[in-house]
Amino acid sequence: EIVLTQSPATLSLSPGERATLSCRASQSVSSYLAWYQQKPGQAPRLLIYDASNRATGIPARFSGSGSGTDFTLTISSLEPEDFAVYYCHQRNNWPITFGQGTRLEIK
Amino acid sequence: EVQLVESGGGLAQPGRSLRLSCAASGFTFNDYAMHWVRQAPGKGLEWVSSINWNSGSIGYADSVKGRFTISRDNAKNSLYLQMNSLRAEDTALYYCAKDLVRTTAITLPSSWGQGTLVTVSS
Repeated sequence: EIVLTQSPATLSLSPGERATLSCRASQSVSSYLAWYQQKPGQAPRLLIYDASNRATGIPARFSGSGSGTDFTLTISSLEPEDFAVYYCHQRNNWPITFGQGTRLEIK
Repeated sequence: EVQLVESGGGLAQPGRSLRLSCAASGFTFNDYAMHWVRQAPGKGLEWVSSINWNSGSIGYADSVKGRFTISRDNAKNSLYLQMNSLRAEDTALYYCAKDLVRTTAITLPSSWGQGTLVTVSS
């Protein structure tokens, strides 16, 4: 099973700042890495798929990069609605796995 | 607009069974793979199972293999999860999700329902 390790566990930033979230895979997942956002009481929302492709309707301030084992989700300038939990997800190998999540909180 | 509505959750004793359903609308159901993903209270996301458009390709997490069965009825635009031999660790919010890509393969969850809560306790 591929283990996805996200860092940091919690990230405290202010609106307008840049956020950088990391996801490291225990073995290569090629580019089959996605990012989801989840707000309290809501279902997850797909942000990025295949490492760098924004899903439909996702603002341009969200970007993804990486390949192989190291991936990054960047939010260029935080909006108040961006404070949430973010999960990475790989589909290169079954079983499909998720990272443990990064909580992005307001500083 | 894609709509996914889960039902069938509730309280079950350890060892008993539950059957979850997901009613889909707003898209051509038989063109997409479907997924079940769960989230234990206060915890992260855990993939449970996926099924492709014609049920020819199915996968399960090791934690549910042999106990859970995913199925779909394309005529009824519905996805199911039969859960047998339930354990306390199966307690979670169960989400139904539509695949991202209109294809015969399984890719990844894109649109999600609001979930149905399963509690396993004596």
